[in-house]
Amino acid sequence: EVQLVESGGGLVQPGGSLRLSCTASGFTFSNYLMTWVRQAPGKGLEWVANIKEDGSEKYYVDSVKGRFTISRDNAKNSLYLQMNSLRAEDTAVYYCAREEGYSYAYYFDYWGQGTLVTVSS
Amino acid sequence: SYVLTQPPSVSVAPGKTARITCGGNNIESKSVHWFQQKPGQAPVLVIYYDADRPSGIPERFSGSNSGNTATLTISRVEAGDEADFFCQVWDTSAHWVFGGGTKLTVL
Repeated sequence: EVQLVESGGGLVQPGGSLRLSCTASGFTFSNYLMTWVRQAPGKGLEWVANIKEDGSEKYYVDSVKGRFTISRDNAKNSLYLQMNSLRAEDTAVYYCAREEGYSYAYYFDYWGQGTLVTVSS
Repeated sequence: SYVLTQPPSVSVAPGKTARITCGGNNIESKSVHWFQQKPGQAPVLVIYYDADRPSGIPERFSGSNSGNTATLTISRVEAGDEADFFCQVWDTSAHWVFGGGTKLTVL
C-alpha cells in the first residue's frame, strides 16, 4: 500500500525557517517524481515545487523561488522542503504527492495527509 | 500564466447528475485531472487524462474535455459525494495549475 507521511510543520515567526519531510512507503520511491502542494486555510490548492526521480531537476512556483528548496534522499525514501524567510502568506497545509505518468503527462495519484505550517508572530 | 476557472459552487439533488466545469484557453489541448477533497482530508484523484478513472473510483464519476471547457460529471449523486472538487493541468510556463475549486452541495 502506497503511503506518504508528512512531518515537520508547526508555528514559526515571520522570517523564520522550517524543514518539512515526507516519508514514502509501499513503492519504489526512486522511480517517481515527487511534488509539494499547499493549501491556505479555506483556500484552494497551490502547487509549490517538484523534483525529478534522481533529484537532477527541480521546479518551483514563482512565489517561493529563492526561499524554498526541494530535495530528496532516495536511500531514505524521503522528500524534503526547506522553507526559509517565511511569510504570513506561506501559512498553509503542505501536502506531498507522488507524480505518476510519463514525459509531460503526469498526474498526482497519491497524497499524504498534510502538515500544517503557521507563520505568525 | 495559464488560468483555470471553476464555478464556486454547484448544488444537486440526490440521484441527479452534477456537472462541474473547468474553463481554460484551449484546454482541450491539455490533459485535465480532477481531485475530490472532503473536509479535513487530503485530495483524492478521481479523474486523470481527461476521462480515466483510478481504481476504486465509482463509474458514476466521468470526465470530458472539449474546446475551452473540461467537465467532471457525477451521475446518481449521493450524499457522500459532497466535497470540494479541483481541476488541474500542466502548463509549460507555470508547471502545475489548479482551478479555484468548486464546492458540491447535495441538497
